[in-house]
Amino acid sequence: NAGVTQTPKFQVLKTGQSMTLQCAQDMNHEYMSWYRQDPGMGLRLIHYSVGAGITDQGEVPNGYNVSRSTTEDFPLRLLSAAPSQTSVYFCASSAYLGTGVNSPLHFGNGTRLTVT
Amino acid sequence: AQKVTQAQTEISVVEKEDVTLDCVYETRDTTYYLFWYKQPPSGELVFLIRRNSFDEQNEISGRYSWNFQKSTSSFNFTITASQVVDSAVYFCALTRNTGNQFYFGTGTSLTVIP
Repeated sequence: NAGVTQTPKFQVLKTGQSMTLQCAQDMNHEYMSWYRQDPGMGLRLIHYSVGAGITDQGEVPNGYNVSRSTTEDFPLRLLSAAPSQTSVYFCASSAYLGTGVNSPLHFGNGTRLTVT
Repeated sequence: AQKVTQAQTEISVVEKEDVTLDCVYETRDTTYYLFWYKQPPSGELVFLIRRNSFDEQNEISGRYSWNFQKSTSSFNFTITASQVVDSAVYFCALTRNTGNQFYFGTGTSLTVIP
């Protein structure tokens, strides 16, 4: 019963490098999303997806790309890492229950990213 | 626009004291959902409760209780007889009826002192 699995748990990048944070869920959830958590700012939505092939921007999308080719996977790509992207990243999923209702978010354990 | 405000940044209480965490939200929607999540020092985010806007009944689960008041746009969380294991950051969140975006408050860090 894995739930939402994020890899890696820790990552250090140099400015300008690119990388992909992986997220996979095994609950057949339609909805997946990425958040970043910064001190004093709570969780801010980066991108989300309501199903395979469908993605949309959240509150802070700049510098990040996503794709959703399967229901299970929702990778987050950093195109050219910047120190401002130093953060803890959480992937989350939820089930669509019908008529606009989603189940609570199930979160992965997070990825701590440092950009130097 | 949707917004969640948790004005209490940090709270410290002595074990066995009761503590209330405040959550005030803003939305123009008539249908919406409110949540509380707990983030212990280990870092994972744990779902505690979901409440829809049509259900103003207070809820109690063990030492936890939630007070939802639409009149004041508040969804407060009370821990009775706090324990050290309650030490965590607690987040309040709001989602619209479409359910596509969850809006989180900035969190309240609770420290329970033994």
